[in-house]
Amino acid sequence: GPKVLQIPSHQIIDMGQMVTLNCDPVSNHLYFYWYKQILGQQMEFLVNFYNGKVMEKSKLFKDQFSVERPDGSYFTLKIQPTALEDSAVYFCASSRDRANERLFFGHGTKLSVL
Amino acid sequence: QQQVRQSPQSLTVWEGETAILNCSYEDSTFNYFPWYQQFPGEGPALLISIRSVSDKKEDGRFTIFFNKREKKLSLHITDSQPGDSATYFCAASTEGADRLTFGKGTQLIIQP
Repeated sequence: GPKVLQIPSHQIIDMGQMVTLNCDPVSNHLYFYWYKQILGQQMEFLVNFYNGKVMEKSKLFKDQFSVERPDGSYFTLKIQPTALEDSAVYFCASSRDRANERLFFGHGTKLSVL
Repeated sequence: QQQVRQSPQSLTVWEGETAILNCSYEDSTFNYFPWYQQFPGEGPALLISIRSVSDKKEDGRFTIFFNKREKKLSLHITDSQPGDSATYFCAASTEGADRLTFGKGTQLIIQP
């Protein structure tokens, strides 16, 4: 079935550095999302993106976070600078319609900030 | 305050039995409730969903029972198979909203 690919699967960086998480969504999907999951906790919504714009973001989406999808390429989450509390698994998802329909998730990128 | 709660945290049943996973929510505006299944090393995948206008949704061995008054729902997996061993997430959203609110998940183990 349709797949969302996330690159890399694991990223280790030093606190204060910049990191970019990449997501290749399902090809005909129009809505894109990032969710954050701290170990042992629930997945939490960060942001959704449609038609080149952030549509909604949560309070977890700090000023250091940004998203973009230039020219239909990867949908990216950039964190600059990173903090220790950014360590988590980040899941990218996409959907053809809204989140009230079917979300397709990637395998996640585990981010470790040292 | 956790908006979506799941219980139990972990559940082990024998192959062939019915597994019952519980979910409750706080926000009365929630009206769409998907369940996602996640295998180790993979992302969550939509298993089955229900809207608040219904009290039951069935898809093969998987059935959601929904009680709007009590803000509770449950996922029943009949004739459990070892391949059903996974983590199951209950989620909720409001019509027109693009965010899903997830529970912490129930880790289900089916013993052969």
